[in-house]
Amino acid sequence: IAGITQAPTSQILAAGRRMTLRCTQDMRHNAMYWYRQDLGLGLRLIHYSNTAGTTGKGEVPDGYSVSRANTDDFPLTLASAVPSQTSVYFCASSRTSGISNEQFFGPGTRLTVL
Amino acid sequence: GQNIDQPTEMTATEGAIVQINCTYQTSGFNGLFWYQQHAGEAPTFLSYNVLDGLEEKGRFSSFLSRSKGYSYLLLKELQMKDSASYLCAVLDSNYQLIWGAGTKLIIKP
Repeated sequence: IAGITQAPTSQILAAGRRMTLRCTQDMRHNAMYWYRQDLGLGLRLIHYSNTAGTTGKGEVPDGYSVSRANTDDFPLTLASAVPSQTSVYFCASSRTSGISNEQFFGPGTRLTVL
Repeated sequence: GQNIDQPTEMTATEGAIVQINCTYQTSGFNGLFWYQQHAGEAPTFLSYNVLDGLEEKGRFSSFLSRSKGYSYLLLKELQMKDSASYLCAVLDSNYQLIWGAGTKLIIKP
């Protein structure tokens, strides 16, 4: 693995189903993030983690949950998917959560909820 | 509220120069980032400014004026591969990135 990987690449999901998007990084970065990107809108932060064992809510956390059991993995779970959660989801990481730390992004997961 | 404004779309000619502007109003300021995003791909880092002035990196330069809440990205000697969206993002007082909607740059031969 080099950088950040996400799985699946794309998914079509029935409304009401539970779904976990996976994210793994091998850069030993402390901070990780989940964003959604919708047409005409900027990236919006869903949840973040400044270090393993801690998580925080971003701008649009409702309907999503995360966990950070170790440094490398940061899964995002949709407990009961709704059509408004149709989006492209990006996972990102940075060395720390402080100033000037560029974020590195995974390739994204395109999710469609019907 | 927090707001970042960028033009939605710009068109330029191969070999020319283009300037993409970004204005922001955020709760606090800990730096401004520019990212490039090709269609269907992930954003990739281009530049970071925290002090006023111009930062030059090859064909790309980024300028910041904190007093005016303004930045621009300058792309010189445009190449077809520069066709992409350019995202402006501000690190706010909570060290969270607030993103603009991006500027789609179309390069014509």
